[in-house]
Amino acid sequence: DGGITQSPKYLFRKEGQNVTLSCEQNLNHDAMYWYRQDPGQGLRLIYYSQIVNDFQKGDIAEGYSVSREKKESFPLTVTSAQKNPTAFYLCASSIYRGDYGYTFGSGTRLTVV
Amino acid sequence: DQQVKQNSPSLSVQEGRISILNCDYTNSMFDYFLWYKKYPAEGPTFLISISSIKDKNEDGRFTVFLNKSAKHLSLHIVPSQPGDSAVYFCAASALGGTASKLTFGTGTRLQVTL
Repeated sequence: DGGITQSPKYLFRKEGQNVTLSCEQNLNHDAMYWYRQDPGQGLRLIYYSQIVNDFQKGDIAEGYSVSREKKESFPLTVTSAQKNPTAFYLCASSIYRGDYGYTFGSGTRLTVV
Repeated sequence: DQQVKQNSPSLSVQEGRISILNCDYTNSMFDYFLWYKKYPAEGPTFLISISSIKDKNEDGRFTVFLNKSAKHLSLHIVPSQPGDSAVYFCAASALGGTASKLTFGTGTRLQVTL
């Protein structure tokens, strides 16, 4: 079955450490996205990528980094520079320039301890 | 600057009644609108969409209405069922852009009571 997989589901990080969240899709979608959800807030765009080896900053990119070396994979690194990293992170993919909605992964809840 | 707004953070409706969720937008370039449903600790799932060339789209119990002049859309759920209890996000895109980038609202939590 085609889909998008995020791992791990729960992640704990000590302050000052970098951590990488995995996102893999087998939908053959060109575009991939990372969103963050905080309690009482909507989904805010961190980074997005339209094609391999290309990505753009979203609305809240500070303290995050991404790579897109393969079409299927779009990992997100939460660096120690991110001041408030505890949140629910969602990865999504979509057909490039299509008029379809996103397919989302099930999310990773990151907690800084 | 919140380009997509859902001004009601929560809504409670009795089972069997109509649920109406509202969404306003400010960007005139938006021409495609979607509603997503999200359960706790899960990713959102696509529910229904509407293009700006239409003013209504229906799919079973779900209907989305678009009022372009008012920059307003609404999602109607009839009849409401307990399984509809979730957070609903409105989203919008401008397809003329270089990516299918969606802008999301803050969400409305719907509680369907027995």
